[in-house]
Amino acid sequence: DQQVKQNSPSLSVQEGRISILNCDYTNSMFDYFLWYKKYPAEGPTFLISISSIKDKNEDGRFTVFLNKSAKHLSLHIVPSQPGDSAVYFCAANQGAQKLVFGQGTRLTINP
Amino acid sequence: NAGVTQTPKFRILKIGQSMTLQCTQDMNHNYMYWYRQDPGMGLKLIYYSVGAGITDKGEVPNGYNVSRSTTEDFPLRLELAAPSQTSVYFCASSPNWETQYFGPGTRLLVL
Repeated sequence: DQQVKQNSPSLSVQEGRISILNCDYTNSMFDYFLWYKKYPAEGPTFLISISSIKDKNEDGRFTVFLNKSAKHLSLHIVPSQPGDSAVYFCAANQGAQKLVFGQGTRLTINP
Repeated sequence: NAGVTQTPKFRILKIGQSMTLQCTQDMNHNYMYWYRQDPGMGLKLIYYSVGAGITDKGEVPNGYNVSRSTTEDFPLRLELAAPSQTSVYFCASSPNWETQYFGPGTRLLVL
């Protein structure tokens, strides 16, 4: 039972363009959502988060949008840079600081 | 600042052997976690701890044990290694409920 789903295993975007990564969830009790970025042979690093009481959070080139009615969130990266090539995980907090992770999307930025 | 450190980085075990994966954090975080990541999958929570002396099961605890005698250390014990435990193991710590800081991971192969 996959409560957090990232249906696109991979995404390829040209440098300078917008990257949009998507995530869907099924549990309406999730109250906080996070995006993590992971390079090969490293642990995930926190990127950006959003509370369920908001619908948008922005940090520099990164913006996360939350659509609660659709149980959908997305991460926008603009402009995309080669260093953004990584695997991106969305995660949801279900209380007691326990995170539920999606399967990840591998983003490749092409020069 | 070392953050979260994990040892070993890579290990090969024979079926039935036991081992302990070490995790140490120097950020004085109360919360610590163990995850496993299988190929093409997201991170799944094995065990977590909200402070020294307190541990609880996550989503996939079978075959593992943990202890938390100090704030800094959160070792993960595999008693009877099985091929299904072949995975990459990540330890994480957190000061609050917003985000988690991950170690670089331990790659385990059980043959």
